[in-house]
Amino acid sequence: AQSVTQLGSHVSVSEGALVLLRCNYSSSVPPYLFWYVQYPNQGLQLLLKYTTGATLVKGINGFEAEFKKSETSFHLTKPSAHMSDAAEYFCAVTLRGAQKLVFGQGTRLTINP
Amino acid sequence: DVKVTQSSRYLVKRTGEKVFLECVQDMDHENMFWYRQDPGLGLRLIYFSYDVKMKEKGDIPEGYSVSREKKERFSLILESASTNQTSMYLCASSGRGVVARVGYGYTFGSGTRLTVV
Repeated sequence: AQSVTQLGSHVSVSEGALVLLRCNYSSSVPPYLFWYVQYPNQGLQLLLKYTTGATLVKGINGFEAEFKKSETSFHLTKPSAHMSDAAEYFCAVTLRGAQKLVFGQGTRLTINP
Repeated sequence: DVKVTQSSRYLVKRTGEKVFLECVQDMDHENMFWYRQDPGLGLRLIYFSYDVKMKEKGDIPEGYSVSREKKERFSLILESASTNQTSMYLCASSGRGVVARVGYGYTFGSGTRLTVV
């Protein structure tokens, strides 16, 4: 069975600094990987996804993530944090042909002025 | 755009009440899901449905039931609400059939914040 681990339940960065949110997965076969963002009192919104092809994927709001099979990782990055990036971020994994996503515990990102 | 609509953003109910949370999607998706979200616990799957009149238990089904009489609507029912069911409830949907469609992930509703007093 697949699983997802997000390292760090809270991450705090200064405005303009690099954002790095870590996600490692466990899967016996190549997975599909997702990052979702949740703003306060809202549902989850898809940020980006990896299915096949290029391992560096770009998403909305300047975020990107790289699928590294050898490290079983799918870390989320943004070169320069903005105050509006403050939110909770969830990594998720599924297998091809599977119907359910498995979510990580979430990482709350705080941006300091 | 796919829309998943949850009928209420905020609900306050009394202990012992029967509570219905409604979710409607407009893109003919086969799969629908109910999660609850609590601080520090992430998203936990309550129930899901692959098709009309079909349902399967998720990780925490106790105290809940579901109904899917029409493809677009998936209802979560709290048979007798308790204070430990105070939470944010999220509905989601996804298509299936062609394997690659799973790669589109889920579309979520805005959530219902339920308080049981």
